[in-house]
Amino acid sequence: DGGITQSPKYLFRKEGQNVTLSCEQNLNHDAMYWYRQDPGQGLRLIYYSQIVNDFQKGDIAEGYSVSREKKESFPLTVTSAQKNPTAFYLCASTGTEIYNEQFFGPGTRLTVL
Amino acid sequence: SQQGEEDPQALSIQEGENATMNCSYKTSINNLQWYRQNSGRGLVHLILIRSNEREKHSGRLRVTLDTSKKSSSLLITASRAADTASYFCATQGAQKLVFGQGTRLTINP
Repeated sequence: DGGITQSPKYLFRKEGQNVTLSCEQNLNHDAMYWYRQDPGQGLRLIYYSQIVNDFQKGDIAEGYSVSREKKESFPLTVTSAQKNPTAFYLCASTGTEIYNEQFFGPGTRLTVL
Repeated sequence: SQQGEEDPQALSIQEGENATMNCSYKTSINNLQWYRQNSGRGLVHLILIRSNEREKHSGRLRVTLDTSKKSSSLLITASRAADTASYFCATQGAQKLVFGQGTRLTINP
């Protein structure tokens, strides 16, 4: 089956620790995105990547880092510099035509204790 | 900001009734998209309407776009309990999608 996978589904970390969220897609999509969602809110863009080895900051990139070494993978690291990291994180991808629908993974719920 | 604003924030109706959600935005767009999110899950794309289109249908969904008023509406006809979810509009300008805060729809059996 084609799709986007995110792991883990739930993640707990102590304050001050870095944590990496996984996002993998087998849709052969060029562009990938990371969003953050807080309770009762819409999605806010953290980072996006349109091609391998290139990525751009979104609206709330501070305290986060990404890499895009492979087309299929776009991991997100939540660093200790992120002041309020507890949230639901969603990864998405879209094909060559950027004016198109985005396909979303199931999300990772990060709780910092 | 290009962000869409949705109205109402929450909507509760009886099964079988129609549900209408509205989205307003501030700047010019290339297209507007509607997504659905079940609680604690990822988003699922419902429909995309381009800036030169005025109306689009998909099954029980009808979307309209009025670029002069910078607004869009999503109509779900003959609602079912399984339609209970949050619905988000997302506007796309040059590149990024910008999401609204969503409408939480509850269908009562």
